Amino acid sequence: SAVISQKPSRDICQRGTSLTIQCQVDSQVTMMFWYRQQPGQSLTLIATANQGSEATYESGFVIDKFPISRPNLTFSTLTVSNMSPEDSSIYLCSVEGRGGLNTGELFFGEGSRLTVL
Amino acid sequence: AQSVTQLGSHVSVSEGALVLLRCNYSSSVPPYLFWYVQYPNQGLQLLLKYTSAATLVKGINGFEAEFKKSETSFHLTKPSAHMSDAAEYFCAVSGSGATNKLIFGTGTLLAVQP
Repeated sequence: SAVISQKPSRDICQRGTSLTIQCQVDSQVTMMFWYRQQPGQSLTLIATANQGSEATYESGFVIDKFPISRPNLTFSTLTVSNMSPEDSSIYLCSVEGRGGLNTGELFFGEGSRLTVL
Repeated sequence: AQSVTQLGSHVSVSEGALVLLRCNYSSSVPPYLFWYVQYPNQGLQLLLKYTSAATLVKGINGFEAEFKKSETSFHLTKPSAHMSDAAEYFCAVSGSGATNKLIFGTGTLLAVQP
């Protein structure tokens, strides 16, 4: 299994500011995934981050709001820009298991809980 | 298009009682189905998965799930609940070999009463 570390684990932010979440994996992985878990709701995929190319965003998510970096095979960042209270969520980083994406086995970090005032 | 529906956002059982968490899926291709568990203040952990082999799948911590194509269901069960089973459980679906995206259900919060 992969060990995934996310920073910060939680933060309280002011409206209009931006926050960058870091995700570090203990092994090299091809794809990293960023999910959002809004209060009382399920996980929604924001984007898929490949090393060396631009992230692929899901419907409803745009690069200007959620810029993503993937400088190498073990690290990625997600920035939540110009935050509003509606962005208060848990943001989760995940990577695929050794069986590859078709097995559906994703490993998740513990998440970054953001509260926007 | 694929989706999952979890019936019951909150389920409460007594310690030692049967646990049954319901999940129905919709998929235009043969699905892969998963149950994930999220303990308080932790990330998600894979509990078990169905990937077109045996229809009865056994997972960790005594949980199992049965894939029933005729009912488009993948319910999660455990014969005897333990206090440590209290967590949120998510059912998820992906297309077999066709997509790398997991679609998650809304989750079921399991409470275990002493």
